[in-house]
Amino acid sequence: AQRVTQPEKLLSVFKGAPVELKCNYSYSGSPELFWYVQYSRQRLQLLLRHISRESIKGFTADLNKGETSFHLKKPFAQEEDSAMYYCALSGNSGGSNYKLTFGKGTLLTVNP
Amino acid sequence: DTAVSQTPKYLVTQMGNDKSIKCEQNLGHDTMYWYKQDSKKFLKIMFSYNNKELIINETVPNRFSPKSPDKAHLNLHINSLELGDSAVYFCASSQEHGLAGGFRFSYEQYFGPGTRLTVT
Repeated sequence: AQRVTQPEKLLSVFKGAPVELKCNYSYSGSPELFWYVQYSRQRLQLLLRHISRESIKGFTADLNKGETSFHLKKPFAQEEDSAMYYCALSGNSGGSNYKLTFGKGTLLTVNP
Repeated sequence: DTAVSQTPKYLVTQMGNDKSIKCEQNLGHDTMYWYKQDSKKFLKIMFSYNNKELIINETVPNRFSPKSPDKAHLNLHINSLELGDSAVYFCASSQEHGLAGGFRFSYEQYFGPGTRLTVT
């Protein structure tokens, strides 16, 4: 079975402060991990994926297989970062078809 | 020039009714999905179609029946609606997986705006 855990339902920081959204996963195979974001009144969209190893809007995420984590980080949060963030894992749970399993999401609020 | 569109955006109906939600994508993708987002914002896959063929069917009641008339459309029909069906339903699409260096990878999924279904 594949599982994604986001322990924080809500996260509130001040503008300019560092932010880290935690994500842990459980998967027996080689994981493929993503962060999706949903801004207010917008559709869910991909923020970044671990195989790209790139920084998007100042966010980075490193896959740590030892700790089975894929935490999302940004050194200086901006108000426009306020959104719902979902960590997701693509896996096949031993079968032939792959599916995206989402964590329960973390609502990030960046205060002025 | 919307990539993934859903209709209707809002749907309010009574228990026991039958309703449909339509989804269309103009991205040329082979794979389409239906997700359900509950009141706690938990997002869970329901169905996945690849080239009009059902490939993922999670433990969803058989009152839910997806239909894919062609690769660009994936509709969701719900029979005998129940209160617990109230949720936001998202359609999504993506290219089929890719291969690089012998490793399989997944493409980005593009989501529709969602359909908020309220069953009274």
